[in-house]
Amino acid sequence: SQQGEEDPQALSIQEGENATMNCSYKTSINNLQWYRQNSGRGLVHLILIRSNEREKHSGRLRVTLDTSKKSSSLLITASRAADTASYFCATDPYSGAGSYQLTFGKGTKLSVIP
Amino acid sequence: ETGVTQTPRHLVMGMTNKKSLKCEQHLGHNAMYWYKQSAKKPLELMFVYNFKEQTENNSVPSRFSPECPNSSHLFLHLHTLQPEDSALYLCASSQDPGQRSQPQHFGDGTRLSIL
Repeated sequence: SQQGEEDPQALSIQEGENATMNCSYKTSINNLQWYRQNSGRGLVHLILIRSNEREKHSGRLRVTLDTSKKSSSLLITASRAADTASYFCATDPYSGAGSYQLTFGKGTKLSVIP
Repeated sequence: ETGVTQTPRHLVMGMTNKKSLKCEQHLGHNAMYWYKQSAKKPLELMFVYNFKEQTENNSVPSRFSPECPNSSHLFLHLHTLQPEDSALYLCASSQDPGQRSQPQHFGDGTRLSIL
């Protein structure tokens, strides 16, 4: 079953602007990860934030996590045309079964216009 | 270069054919995964292998048969597929299956089209 859901489904911005994508999930998690997928390619891991963390930075990326609202946001600052891609959040909910499964949302398709 | 290589990149097959997808990881990881990515659907986990042993089979039809001969190689054998099986099939790996909070490394996928 789908755990994470990204919002918006599509986002179009001008180069240099900031892009914000949101992710909501349903059950308690161990961590939340963000991935990027360029057209015709596989997913690339961007950043992982643990359930006891509230904010994390990596270069132009800023991720926040609000476990009380079961939501996360990914902010890309000073966007570039090369940031054009689909962005997915993935959660690692408690399964109780000892196995490790990531569940992904449908993604946000970001277009950065030069 | 992600360290995970999938072949072939594209595959067109009829419903009665038998073919195999191959995945190889050069990262020294111990867990490998098969995912199915269809248009407008979330990524679906199909199979998980930890230290060559299958630990997850998410209700995948028997026309998909995985094989993991060692920790570096993963295959997906295809037989008598249906048109709805057309999708991008992604392989991924992670370092230690016992550690829950780990990134996964993906290959670029095999685009499968069933005629």
